[in-house]
Amino acid sequence: AQRVTQPEKLLSVFKGAPVELKCNYSYSGSPELFWYVQYSRQRLQLLLRHISRESIKGFTADLNKGETSFHLKKPFAQEEDSAMYYCALKTSYDKVIFGPGTSLSVIP
Amino acid sequence: GAVVSQHPSWVICKSGTSVKIECRSLDFQATTMFWYRQFPKQSLMLMATSNEGSKATYEQGVEKDKFLINHASLTLSTLTVTSAHPEDSSFYICSATDRQGAGEQYFGPGTRLTVT
Repeated sequence: AQRVTQPEKLLSVFKGAPVELKCNYSYSGSPELFWYVQYSRQRLQLLLRHISRESIKGFTADLNKGETSFHLKKPFAQEEDSAMYYCALKTSYDKVIFGPGTSLSVIP
Repeated sequence: GAVVSQHPSWVICKSGTSVKIECRSLDFQATTMFWYRQFPKQSLMLMATSNEGSKATYEQGVEKDKFLINHASLTLSTLTVTSAHPEDSSFYICSATDRQGAGEQYFGPGTRLTVT
């Protein structure tokens, strides 16, 4: 079965603290994983994808096939990072399955 | 960057009527467009995949006769909610894949549908 799980619905951290948003997936093929972010009253936008291995806004994510995880990390959270974060899995035919999302709140 | 627009941004309709939502890729040609539904404080649920010139592929549990999808051109897909009921009230979001790009999906701003 194709599935994406994000165990934390809500996550609160203090400004400057490290943050990790967890994501696990279930997929029989070779996974292509993404993190999307949705700021308040804005459209969904791509944050990063595992293929590019880039760092966006200080966020990084490493695909761990052994643990079927793709956790999102940032060493020092900023207030502007407060948003809804969705982990997503791209399957065949370019279909994207979204996880339930984690609402990140950075406390000043 | 690539932009996807949706029209209208919000619509209120009476129960039993139909409403059409447009999704346009403004500066690129979209090989494929997707339609999602998002309930309050919940994730996006894929409803259907729309390819230009062919019939849409619906996800399990999505009524194809209720949610009519037409992908008439490489820049336009429409979702028509037929005989709408209050339970159809939701946030509908489309996305499009850039034909020339790396296959990244670009999302529209969404359409808020309220059925009274």
